[in-house]
Amino acid sequence: RKEVEQDPGPFNVPEGATVAFNCTYSNSASQSFFWYRQDCRKEPKLLMSVYSSGNEDGRFTAQLNRASQYISLLIRDSKLSDSATYLCVVNLNTGNQFYFGTGTSLTVIP
Amino acid sequence: GAVVSQHPSWVICKSGTSVKIECRSLDFQATTMFWYRQFPKQSLMLMATSNEGSKATYEQGVEKDKFLINHASLTLSTLTVTSAHPEDSSFYICSARDLRRASYGTDTQYFGPGTRLTVL
Repeated sequence: RKEVEQDPGPFNVPEGATVAFNCTYSNSASQSFFWYRQDCRKEPKLLMSVYSSGNEDGRFTAQLNRASQYISLLIRDSKLSDSATYLCVVNLNTGNQFYFGTGTSLTVIP
Repeated sequence: GAVVSQHPSWVICKSGTSVKIECRSLDFQATTMFWYRQFPKQSLMLMATSNEGSKATYEQGVEKDKFLINHASLTLSTLTVTSAHPEDSSFYICSARDLRRASYGTDTQYFGPGTRLTVL
């Protein structure tokens, strides 16, 4: 079983739509959670950390559900510029063990 | 803060030559750096974890004699692809861990812009 699993998509949504991605993790000892965004032929860039209480940054909301071992990313009012691959990352905080999901591809259509 | 640079950004070389890629943390000290490769339309694949002043830890299936890693300082790690062949053509990305953020629970990796290697 993979440490981190994501639905690869692709998700094709119209501009202005709300879209949500989920990511599940297998190790209940996981401590830190992050969402990254990767544009085509570019490096991943940190989008936001995910806190236990949930957190929001503009149109983006991240949530953590420890009981069910998943994290989510909600994007409201999608923009064309949101088109990218979104990577979920989990860290055990016991060393340098970061686990990446395979990414979820999002395309926002005009 | 948390800026990571990589050099060169792209390189084209002949088969059999060696290529060195540098990864630098510009505004923080990184005791740990990571090296990844990514093929088109595939996910990141961790190659090795590089710790300052010690030998790198390679992932299963990654040849340590082919991919030489040196992490001589807290801000610089290098990856040398020795005797490169066309199958080594890929996007190589480094990242650095910013431990200043560990106490805030936001300790994570910051990526360099990547190096696109093409071996002819």
